[in-house]
Amino acid sequence: GAVVSQHPSRVICKSGTSVKIECRSLDFQATTMFWYRQFPKQSLMLMATSNEGSKATYEQGVEKDKFLINHASLTLSTLTVTSAHPEDSSFYICSARAGLAADTQYFGPGTRLTVL
Amino acid sequence: GNSVTQMEGPVTLSEEAFLTINCTYTATGYPSLFWYVQYPGEGLQLLLKATKADDKGSNKGFEATYRKETTSFHLEKGSVQVSDSAVYFCALSAGGNKLVFGAGTILRVKS
Repeated sequence: GAVVSQHPSRVICKSGTSVKIECRSLDFQATTMFWYRQFPKQSLMLMATSNEGSKATYEQGVEKDKFLINHASLTLSTLTVTSAHPEDSSFYICSARAGLAADTQYFGPGTRLTVL
Repeated sequence: GNSVTQMEGPVTLSEEAFLTINCTYTATGYPSLFWYVQYPGEGLQLLLKATKADDKGSNKGFEATYRKETTSFHLEKGSVQVSDSAVYFCALSAGGNKLVFGAGTILRVKS
C-alpha cells in the first residue's frame, strides 16, 4: 500500500514552453502533498506544500508564478513549470502525506526535466 | 536553520562487509531523525526513525542511534547484501511536518 506515482518520469522540452508534472496517490487519500527539487549530488529541497482545495504554500525563494501547483483532489497534485528555462532542469519529486506526522510521507519516483 | 550533513559517496563495499554512513544534524529544539532509502527507479522509502535522544531505530538489519551529545544519527549494518545497493538519505523533522534532507549517499555492494 501507500504508493505514489509521478508522470511523466522524464520530459525534455524547449526553452519557453510549459511542462506539467502529475503526482498521484494510488491507494490512499492525501490532503497534503509536497513538491521537492533535487540538484545533482545535493539534497532534496522542499519547494512547496500543497493542500487539497487551497493554495499551495511556497518555500522562501521559490517563485510561485513560475511553479504553479494545483491540488484539485485528494489523490492528485500537479506542478506546472511555466516558461521553462535551462536552469529549471532538475529532478522533481513529490510526496503525499497519509497522516499528520512527517514520517507518513510517501514519495513518488521523481520526474527528470531537461530544458533545452 | 535546520540542516543535515551526511558523508559523500559513493560507498563501495563487498558483500557481507560492515556499513557505516555518517549523518550529523543541526536543529533547534528536539528533532525527529530518519533514514530513507531510494532503490533505482523507485521513490524514497522510510527505512527507520528515532524520535528522541538515545532511541535506536532499526529495520531490515539497519540500525541508527539518536545521539544528542554528538548531534549524530549514523546508519549501520553488520553485513550488507547486493540488494542493499541504493541511495540513502538522512533527514530530520523539527517542530513541524516538513522534512529536511541530507544530500544522499550512494551505496554500491559488490558480490
